[in-house]
Amino acid sequence: DGGITQSPKYLFRKEGQNVTLSCEQNLNHDAMYWYRQDPGQGLRLIYYSQIVNDFQKGDIAEGYSVSREKKESFPLTVTSAQKNPTAFYLCASSIDFRPDEQFFGPGTRLTVL
Amino acid sequence: QKEVEQNSGPLSVPEGAIASLNCTYSDRGSQSFFWYRQYSGKSPELIMFIYSNGDKEDGRFTAQLNKASQYVSLLIRDSQPSDSATYLCAVNGLTGGGNKLTFGTGTQLKVEL
Repeated sequence: DGGITQSPKYLFRKEGQNVTLSCEQNLNHDAMYWYRQDPGQGLRLIYYSQIVNDFQKGDIAEGYSVSREKKESFPLTVTSAQKNPTAFYLCASSIDFRPDEQFFGPGTRLTVL
Repeated sequence: QKEVEQNSGPLSVPEGAIASLNCTYSDRGSQSFFWYRQYSGKSPELIMFIYSNGDKEDGRFTAQLNKASQYVSLLIRDSQPSDSATYLCAVNGLTGGGNKLTFGTGTQLKVEL
């Protein structure tokens, strides 16, 4: 089955710790994205990658970092510099960076204790 | 001013009725328009996309786009309780280009028995 997987589904973190969220896709998509969603809010773009070894900041990149060393993987690190990290994190991908559909993974719910 | 606006709802309709969901956007340069359905605690699922003015039908769903008035709508015919979810409108082609999606905050739909 082709799709996007995210792990873990739930993640708890103590304040001051960095955590890394995994996102893997086997759709052979070039472009990948990270969003966060807060209760009652729309999705906001954190980082995106148009192609392997390249990524750009989205609208709310402060306190986050990413890497894109492999086409199928786009991990997101939530650093201790992110002031309000508790949220639902969603990874998405699209065939390329031309305007087109984006498909989402199941999400990771991060809670900072 | 928000770039993509939706009424948060909840919009309540009886089973079998037509549900009408609306979305307005601010950037006239927007190219592509998407409707995602999101069940509580789950990730968004793409249900419709539209690129050209007019109507696009897919089963019980119809997307309508009016670029002159800068709105896009989603009609759900013969609404079912399983349609109860939050519907997110997303737009790309906004300033910045590429496949960066801007999401509205979503409209919660409740289909009542």
